[in-house]
Amino acid sequence: AQSVAQPEDQVNVAEGNPLTVKCTYSVSGNPYLFWYVQYPNRGLQFLLKYITGDNLVKGSYGFEAEFNKSQTSFHLKKPSALVSDSALYFCAVRVSSGNTPLVFGKGTRLSVIA
Amino acid sequence: GAVVSQHPSWVICKSGTSVKIECRSLDFQATTMFWYRQFPKQSLMLMATSNEGSKATYEQGVEKDKFLINHASLTLSTLTVTSAHPEDSSFYICSAQRLSGRAGEQYFGPGTRLTVT
Repeated sequence: AQSVAQPEDQVNVAEGNPLTVKCTYSVSGNPYLFWYVQYPNRGLQFLLKYITGDNLVKGSYGFEAEFNKSQTSFHLKKPSALVSDSALYFCAVRVSSGNTPLVFGKGTRLSVIA
Repeated sequence: GAVVSQHPSWVICKSGTSVKIECRSLDFQATTMFWYRQFPKQSLMLMATSNEGSKATYEQGVEKDKFLINHASLTLSTLTVTSAHPEDSSFYICSAQRLSGRAGEQYFGPGTRLTVT
């Protein structure tokens, strides 16, 4: 069975500081890994994904994530946080084959303080 | 490209009535659509997987007679909440997977907030 863990319910960062939102996963097989962001009362917006290739993935709005197979992690990072980055972030995983749905982590609320 | 719409974006209904939510892929064909629900401050929970022209596959604990899913075409799936109760109040989100394209490419709708009074 697939699972995703986001160990932090809340992350607080000062504007301009680097941010990290943690994610670890568990799948049998090769993982497809995703990060999504959700603003209040809105659907999910795609940030980035890892399918194969370079372990460092760059996505929208200056976000990036590093796939670490040995640690089964896919942490989301940004060098300099903005107040507008404050939102709910979800990590998701699916196995690489078949029409299987995404399995989501519980989400991490990021608060960037001016 | 790859836009998914949901209608309505929000709905309030009385207990005991039924509500239909539409999910459309506007500029691509979707072999598979997924329906999720999200409670306040919680993650998305998969309800069912909908394949065009066949019966939906429901997750454990989801009542198929209460949450009717119809995937009539490659661009439309509907979720009908029958005999709605206040505990059905939630944020319902659909996603669509392209007919062609890289596996794992799913696109999410903006969500529908259902409030049952």
